[in-house]
Amino acid sequence: DIQMTQSPSTLSASVGDRVTITCRASQSISSWLAWYQQKPGKAPKLLIYQASTLDTGVPSRFSGSGSGTEFTLTISSLQPDDFATYYCQQYNSDVSFGGGTKVEIK
Amino acid sequence: QLQLQESGPGLVKPSETLSLTCTVSGGSISSGVYYWGWIRQPPGKGLEWSGSIDYSGSAYYHPSLKGRVTILVDTSKNQFSLKLSSVTAADTAVYYCARHREMATIGEFDRWGQGTLVTVSS
Repeated sequence: DIQMTQSPSTLSASVGDRVTITCRASQSISSWLAWYQQKPGKAPKLLIYQASTLDTGVPSRFSGSGSGTEFTLTISSLQPDDFATYYCQQYNSDVSFGGGTKVEIK
Repeated sequence: QLQLQESGPGLVKPSETLSLTCTVSGGSISSGVYYWGWIRQPPGKGLEWSGSIDYSGSAYYHPSLKGRVTILVDTSKNQFSLKLSSVTAADTAVYYCARHREMATIGEFDRWGQGTLVTVSS
């Protein structure tokens, strides 16, 4: 199994802040990584796939980078709608998710 | 607009089999070789993939669930289903069905159902 570790588990930030979330894989997954946003009581929403490609309709303030075992999701200027929990997912070998990062209001 | 909707019992007794169905609307489950998957989320916890299947019935399962999980597809009803046997309280979760974005690839999920809570309790 490929284990995915996200950090931090919780992040406190203010509107307008630049926010970075890290996801590490237990072995190389090339660029087979996606990022999701989930709000309470809702299904996850795909933000980014193949490590850095924005899904259709996702605001450009979201960006993804990395390859191999270390990846980042960056929100360039946090907006009120961005307070949520974010998950990474690898699909190099089967599918596994990171534990999540909750972005909360500071 | 492709939509997915989970259905099934909200309460299952320990040691019994959990059965859920995902109905796909706004598109045919057999148009294009997409994979369709099940993901679960225990209350207050993260996401866990259970398995995925394509329209021909080719299925892949999470290693930790192999032996307990079966995913089937019924193209005539535009549905796919999840069966999980010998359930325990640890199987209590919101269960989501979803579609993998790219054809013929078990990759990222771009369409999700709203999720259904299944509680395992006597």
